[in-house]
Amino acid sequence: AQSVTQPDIHITVSEGASLELRCNYSYGATPYLFWYVQSPGQGLQLLLKYFSGDTLVQGIKGFEAEFKRSQSSFNLRKPSVHWSDAAEYFCAVGVLAGANNLFFGTGTRLTVIP
Amino acid sequence: DSGVTQTPKHLITATGQRVTLRCSPRSGDLSVYWYQQSLDQGLQFLIQYYNGEERAKGNILERFSAQQFPDLHSELNLSSLELGDSALYFCASSGSGSQETQYFGPGTRLLVL
Repeated sequence: AQSVTQPDIHITVSEGASLELRCNYSYGATPYLFWYVQSPGQGLQLLLKYFSGDTLVQGIKGFEAEFKRSQSSFNLRKPSVHWSDAAEYFCAVGVLAGANNLFFGTGTRLTVIP
Repeated sequence: DSGVTQTPKHLITATGQRVTLRCSPRSGDLSVYWYQQSLDQGLQFLIQYYNGEERAKGNILERFSAQQFPDLHSELNLSSLELGDSALYFCASSGSGSQETQYFGPGTRLLVL
């Protein structure tokens, strides 16, 4: 069965500092992996996705993520965090074979301090 | 703006009642997905429709049902509501390919009193 683990419930970083949010997945086949961001009171916005090919994927807002098959990980990174990045971040794995429903991790809440 | 619209934004109702949530997918998208986000369960997939047909089912209760209409909009019906059904309900849509991204609507916040 597929599952996603985000081990950090809450992370606090200073503005301008680097960020890494962890995501580990469990899935029997090659995964489709996603990072979404949810700002307070908002829906989910796609940051980036990995389907195949280059394991380092670039997303919007300066985010990137690296797929590491050997570690079953898809960690999200940003070199310099902005105050507007404060939000909840969700990692998800996509299930294929006709049904593309997503399985989400529990989310990591990011607080940015000045 | 993802292009997915959901109505209403907020809904307050009482236990035992029935409500209908509505979703309009992005133009051209054939797939619609429903998700529930609650404090207890996190974000959970409920059900997927593709071009009017049910495609996949997740953790959807028997009290809940959905359908997708010929114009591709979808409705999620929640009946015999319980306090625990209070949650944010998201709709997402995607195209027909196997590598299609899901785009999420703003959600409907349901409060059952």
